[in-house]
Amino acid sequence: GQNIDQPTEMTATEGAIVQINCTYQTSGFNGLFWYQQHAGEAPTFLSYNVLDGLEEKGRFSSFLSRSKGYSYLLLKELQMKDSASYLCAVRLTGGGNKLTFGTGTQLKVEL
Amino acid sequence: GAVVSQHPSRVICKSGTSVKIECRSLDFQATTMFWYRQFPKQSLMLMATSNEGSKATYEQGVEKDKFLINHASLTLSTLTVTSAHPEDSSFYICSARGMRVADYNEQFFGPGTRLTVL
Repeated sequence: GQNIDQPTEMTATEGAIVQINCTYQTSGFNGLFWYQQHAGEAPTFLSYNVLDGLEEKGRFSSFLSRSKGYSYLLLKELQMKDSASYLCAVRLTGGGNKLTFGTGTQLKVEL
Repeated sequence: GAVVSQHPSRVICKSGTSVKIECRSLDFQATTMFWYRQFPKQSLMLMATSNEGSKATYEQGVEKDKFLINHASLTLSTLTVTSAHPEDSSFYICSARGMRVADYNEQFFGPGTRLTVL
């Protein structure tokens, strides 16, 4: 089976930096995605990694190590509106772009 | 661009009735659409993959006769929850993959449909 793990909850302070980790053990790998989801809303795309290394997009960066089955999402200059659930998802090979989602990390940003 | 809509956004129905949820890609053609279910404080669980003009592919454990999927055009897929029961109450989300190569790496999600079965 597919296994994608994330911490359940994290708390951070406004203006700080937070790193959300994701580890995966899947039968194949064809890319890793990070999504943000506010309560009661649909997920919105944040980043995509298919090769090892760091992808930077404004305040958000995502890192991937395929050999370690590991990724992280880095959020800088945290804002209150960043309080949300962050979902790690793996696209499997031969899956027609099918995504398998992790358990999600609920991030709470405090003053 | 790349907007996906869902209708209705919220539905309450009696146990035993059927509910149809529509997923539309508004400004692009989607060869493939995906249906997910999300229970409170849990992650998204893929239910099925819907390809235009062919039968849907269901994930293990999802009853295809209970969750009927129709992808009749490149912009519309429907999910019908037949004979709904309270345990089917959930947040149903669709996503679509575009036809352009540039869109291959992304699924565009709809706003979701909150189903409550009494």
